[in-house]
Amino acid sequence: AQRVTQPEKLLSVFKGAPVELKCNYSYSGSPELFWYVQYSRQRLQLLLRHISRESIKGFTADLNKGETSFHLKKPFAQEEDSAMYYCALSGTSGTYKYIFGTGTRLKVLA
Amino acid sequence: DGGITQSPKYLFRKEGQNVTLSCEQNLNHDAMYWYRQDPGQGLRLIYYSQIVNDFQKGDIAEGYSVSREKKESFPLTVTSAQKNPTAFYLCASTHPGGGNTGELFFGEGSRLTVL
Repeated sequence: AQRVTQPEKLLSVFKGAPVELKCNYSYSGSPELFWYVQYSRQRLQLLLRHISRESIKGFTADLNKGETSFHLKKPFAQEEDSAMYYCALSGTSGTYKYIFGTGTRLKVLA
Repeated sequence: DGGITQSPKYLFRKEGQNVTLSCEQNLNHDAMYWYRQDPGQGLRLIYYSQIVNDFQKGDIAEGYSVSREKKESFPLTVTSAQKNPTAFYLCASTHPGGGNTGELFFGEGSRLTVL
């Protein structure tokens, strides 16, 4: 069964501190993993996807198949990073079921 | 102006009534999705559709129904059988294919309140 777990509901860090938002998944095949972000009063939007191996707004995420994890990291948090972050997983063969974790609210304190 | 449009933004319903939420996209996307967003529970998948005239149940389909008669449209009906319908509903679409699913594009959402 597909499942995405985000263990932290709330993460508070000080500006300039490193950030790591945890995501673990369960999927029997080869998944596509994503991080989405929802800023206050804005639509949910894609932050990054594992297949692109890109860095967006200073965030990176590495897919660790051995640990079935896709943690989101940023070395130095900014106040504008405060938002709700969701990890998501999509199937890649036959069915495109797309599920999300419960989300982590990141608060960056001045 | 391309995107996904959900309507209405706010909807009030009496218990025992069915209500239909609209979702339209002009992105030419094949796949469309409905999610329910509740505080502390994230986004839970209600139904999804990969192509016209086909749809699959998500994780919380009970009490909901959908149709996909046109590529652009994927309406969601919240029936009186849904025990706790008060929630924020999000529609999304993407262009899947080739084993590489794409970015989900979301609507602004519809907030349903049952009185």
